[in-house]
Amino acid sequence: EIVLTQSPGTLSLSPGERATLSCRASQSVSSTYLAWYQQKPGQAPRLLIYGASSRATGIPERFSGSGSGTDFTLTISRLEPEDFAVYYCQHFGTSPTWTFGQGTKVEIK
Amino acid sequence: QVQLVQSGAEVKKPGSSVKVSCRSSGGTFNNYAISWVRQAPGQGLEWMGGIIPIFGIANYAQKFQGRVTITTGDSRRSSYMDLSSLRSEDTAVYYCAREDRHLAAFDMWGQGTMVTVSS
Repeated sequence: EIVLTQSPGTLSLSPGERATLSCRASQSVSSTYLAWYQQKPGQAPRLLIYGASSRATGIPERFSGSGSGTDFTLTISRLEPEDFAVYYCQHFGTSPTWTFGQGTKVEIK
Repeated sequence: QVQLVQSGAEVKKPGSSVKVSCRSSGGTFNNYAISWVRQAPGQGLEWMGGIIPIFGIANYAQKFQGRVTITTGDSRRSSYMDLSSLRSEDTAVYYCAREDRHLAAFDMWGQGTMVTVSS
């Protein structure tokens, strides 16, 4: 079973700064099956990135994803006030099964 | 525009069962699969299982095997998640989500249903 480990647990940044979030898989995975979500308090998650680097419909260009193998990154180039939230990575595995990382909270510094 | 609309909040006693529904407001689920994900208070997302409505085939996370049943109904417009032998640790928000297998991601989510297990 694939385990996804996200780091850091919390990222304290100011609006306008760059955010770099990490997702590490316990074994090599296909980038095709790696996605990122944003969740704000009291709301359902929202799909940001699929296939490790493709933005979902309506997602601003400041969000980008990269990586391969076991190491994946979500980058927010310049934080907007609405970007402060919790971010989760997700993997689609065989069986089929879905696995989430434990999340990274991006908070206002 | 298609939306996933879930049933309302529930309060249940330990040992009982709960059934949460998820309906597509814009028609059938077509070729999409539906997953159920839960989130305990202050915690992360946990996948419970999913179903492909056109085939009626469900699969479950090992943790929930034997305790959860996911079905579809209403001419493939609705999905149901039935969780039995409830305990306090099952207190959580339960979400349905539409799986887009081409994206290998959940592209649409229900609004969530709060289930509270308390004596």
